[in-house]
Amino acid sequence: AQKVTQAQTEISVVEKEDVTLDCVYETRDTTYYLFWYKQPPSGELVFLIRRNSFDEQNEISGRYSWNFQKSTSSFNFTITASQVVDSAVYFCALSASNDMRFGAGTRLTVKP
Amino acid sequence: ETGVTQTPRHLVMGMTNKKSLKCEQHLGHNAMYWYKQSAKKPLELMFVYNFKEQTENNSVPSRFSPECPNSSHLFLHLHTLQPEDSALYLCASSQDLRETNEKLFFGSGTQLSVL
Repeated sequence: AQKVTQAQTEISVVEKEDVTLDCVYETRDTTYYLFWYKQPPSGELVFLIRRNSFDEQNEISGRYSWNFQKSTSSFNFTITASQVVDSAVYFCALSASNDMRFGAGTRLTVKP
Repeated sequence: ETGVTQTPRHLVMGMTNKKSLKCEQHLGHNAMYWYKQSAKKPLELMFVYNFKEQTENNSVPSRFSPECPNSSHLFLHLHTLQPEDSALYLCASSQDLRETNEKLFFGSGTQLSVL
């Protein structure tokens, strides 16, 4: 069975702090994809990144970076120099064998 | 026009009411989905449609009835709901049916409150 765990229910930081959102997954498939989505207050989930199981290179996009480690089954997301606009619920998801599972989400609040 | 549009944004209904949620996608996608989002729980997949045909029903109670008249429109008909059905209902679409690497495009959801 596939499972995604986001242990951090809520995180609160002050603007300009760095913050890391944790994601741990379970799957028996050797081929799978990992995703991060952002859900701002408006409600719609917005795709941020997709990573396949064979590509463990970390990725950086502006203030966002992702650390994929198969050895620990983790796909963590770091926001550098956080801003108020980063406040949202962030979901990690795992897709394998045409079955996508989401974590429970982490609510990030960035205070000015 | 956003890619996936859901109406209404908010809905309050009594347990004996009948209402419908509407979803429309303008992306030319072939697959559409209903998800339920409850507080502090993972998103729950409810129904999947591919080319208007239902391909998945994740043991959803019959008080939820989906309808997909064409690849661009998806409805969720509600009747005799329970208070525990209160949640954010999200519609999503993807180019094709849930290939492993397929990313989803979501609407803003309907916040449903059942009194």
